Amino acid sequence: QVQLVESGGGVVQPGRSLRLSCAASGFTFSSYAMNWVRQAPGKGLEWVAVISYDGSDKYYADSVKGRFTVSRDNSKNTQYLQMNSLRAEDTAVYYCARETTLDNWGQGTLVTVSS
Amino acid sequence: DIQMTQSPSSLSASVGDRVTITCRASQGIRNDLGWYQQKPGKAPKRLIYITSTLQSGVPSRFSGSGSGTEFTLTISSLQPEDFATYYCLQHNVYPYTFGQGTKLEIK
Repeated sequence: QVQLVESGGGVVQPGRSLRLSCAASGFTFSSYAMNWVRQAPGKGLEWVAVISYDGSDKYYADSVKGRFTVSRDNSKNTQYLQMNSLRAEDTAVYYCARETTLDNWGQGTLVTVSS
Repeated sequence: DIQMTQSPSSLSASVGDRVTITCRASQGIRNDLGWYQQKPGKAPKRLIYITSTLQSGVPSRFSGSGSGTEFTLTISSLQPEDFATYYCLQHNVYPYTFGQGTKLEIK
């Protein structure tokens, strides 16, 4: 069955960087686009970024454009979210989700940006 | 960006009730809309995709309809496990956007 496992979250100071990973199994990873979605504490869902199946196309929410970079390694069945210049408002649970219609989700990893 | 206006933001209902949640898009999104259920501390779970197609394993009391700019999620007879927060998502154009959510509570 499809499994997505996020990792890399933690507490980081404002202005610093963090890289999240999403390890996929149970499907042909290299055939699917992958997304990142986040949820601030007590708030709704916010789509963050998407990367095409081969990594050639990437799109971002305006709130993270220029600071976050999505990438993938199809040989490792893993996608990444490099987060630079982190702000307090980036504090959230970050989920990865499969496919352009976000059919399967991981359990999320918590990122806390605080001094 | 496309704005998704979801209503109501909260809803109090009883087991057995029929409930409807609505999402309106600020511009046409064809039928590129999904509905998600989220329970506290858990990841969202997709219920419906392409407006009206039921995700495998989701009970048939859930249904979706609409097109263009107005969409609805209907639960025909609420069960205790249905009390959760529901979100719509447009995946017609980037950036994708979610509705604000509807918290469904027990009356």
